[in-house]
Amino acid sequence: EDQVTQSPEALRLQEGESSSLNCSYTVSGLRGLFWYRQDPGKGPEFLFTLYSAGEEKEKERLKATLTKKESFLHITAPKPEDSATYLCAVPRSNDYKLSFGAGTTVTVRA
Amino acid sequence: DGGITQSPKYLFRKEGQNVTLSCEQNLNHDAMYWYRQDPGQGLRLIYYSQIVNDFQKGDIAEGYSVSREKKESFPLTVTSAQKNPTAFYLCASIPSAVYANTGELFFGEGSRLTVL
Repeated sequence: EDQVTQSPEALRLQEGESSSLNCSYTVSGLRGLFWYRQDPGKGPEFLFTLYSAGEEKEKERLKATLTKKESFLHITAPKPEDSATYLCAVPRSNDYKLSFGAGTTVTVRA
Repeated sequence: DGGITQSPKYLFRKEGQNVTLSCEQNLNHDAMYWYRQDPGQGLRLIYYSQIVNDFQKGDIAEGYSVSREKKESFPLTVTSAQKNPTAFYLCASIPSAVYANTGELFFGEGSRLTVL
């Protein structure tokens, strides 16, 4: 069964304290891995798509990387406005529907 | 500005009542989706529609119903048969289902349903 697991569940950072979030997946024939940002009480907002191991994408203080079994979202020198829940998702093996992880909630204190 | 509008943002329901959540998009997207989000769980697919007048059950369709009479509208009805309806409901769209591999779903701001 396709599974997506995110860790840690929650991350509390001091402003400027870099860290990484993990998204591990079990799906055969990966056809992409997607990262979203979700602010409290809002819908997710698309951040990145990664297609192959070794690929990297960057946006401001965020950098997403992909290996054959997991993806990392690196937050460099975070600011309070980076506080949000970060979700990852992959298309399932047998169809194009997405399997989502439960998310990592990041809180950045000034 | 183009986007997805969900209403109401907050909804309270008594047990035994049906409620309908609205989802309207002006992005001219063919494919639309309804997800449910619960604390500590990933988003779960309730129903999806790839084109007008067509829709399919997702992973947790029991106790829900939808219609897709217009391209821009995909309302979700939470019926009294749904045993645990308290959740955050998200509507999403994408230009067409073949774009699903890009992951670029556009989400609405969600509707929070609470059963009293």
